[in-house]
Amino acid sequence: DIQVTQSPSSLLASLGERVTITCQTSQSISNNLNWYQQKPGQAPMLLIYYATSLQTGMPSRFSGQYSGRSFTLTITSLEPEDIANYFCLQHYSAPRTFGGGTKLELK
Amino acid sequence: EVQLVESGGGLVQPGRSMKLSCAASGFTFNNYDMAWVCQAPKKGLEWVATISYDGSSTYYRDSVKGRFTISRDNAKSTLYLQMDSLRSEDTATYYCARTHRYKDFDYWGQGVMVTVSS
Repeated sequence: DIQVTQSPSSLLASLGERVTITCQTSQSISNNLNWYQQKPGQAPMLLIYYATSLQTGMPSRFSGQYSGRSFTLTITSLEPEDIANYFCLQHYSAPRTFGGGTKLELK
Repeated sequence: EVQLVESGGGLVQPGRSMKLSCAASGFTFNNYDMAWVCQAPKKGLEWVATISYDGSSTYYRDSVKGRFTISRDNAKSTLYLQMDSLRSEDTATYYCARTHRYKDFDYWGQGVMVTVSS
């Protein structure tokens, strides 16, 4: 199975701050990685697919990049509604595997 | 609007069975593969099972093979997960997810909690 290591597991940030979350995969997956946002009690929402493509309807302050086996999700300027859990998913091969998640909180 | 609504969770004793349902709306259900994903308390997400758009193919993670059965009723736009011989380690929130051909899991339900305990 492909291992996905996500960091940090928790993050304190201020409104307006630039936030970066990283997922590292144990083997090359090309760009087959998604990012999701999940708020307590709600369904996860797709933010970024194929590592860099913004899902329709998601704010443009969210972006994704990748280089080799390292993938990053960036929020350019943190808004109150961005406080949530974030996780990544590799869909290069079966079984699908997920990053451990990042809990983003306000400083 | 795509909606996925899970139901059927609750408390169940070890060794017993439980059946989860996921009612889909807002899209043509029989055009999409569907999946179940779970998240145990304080743990990360794990893929559980996938079923093809027509139900002809199913796939399971090793830990549930032979115990869980994924199925679907396209006439009712409903996905199911029959869970037999439940173990304490199956305790988790279970999510159904639509599998887009290119985006993979693009829509998820809000999840349903399953607690396996005596």
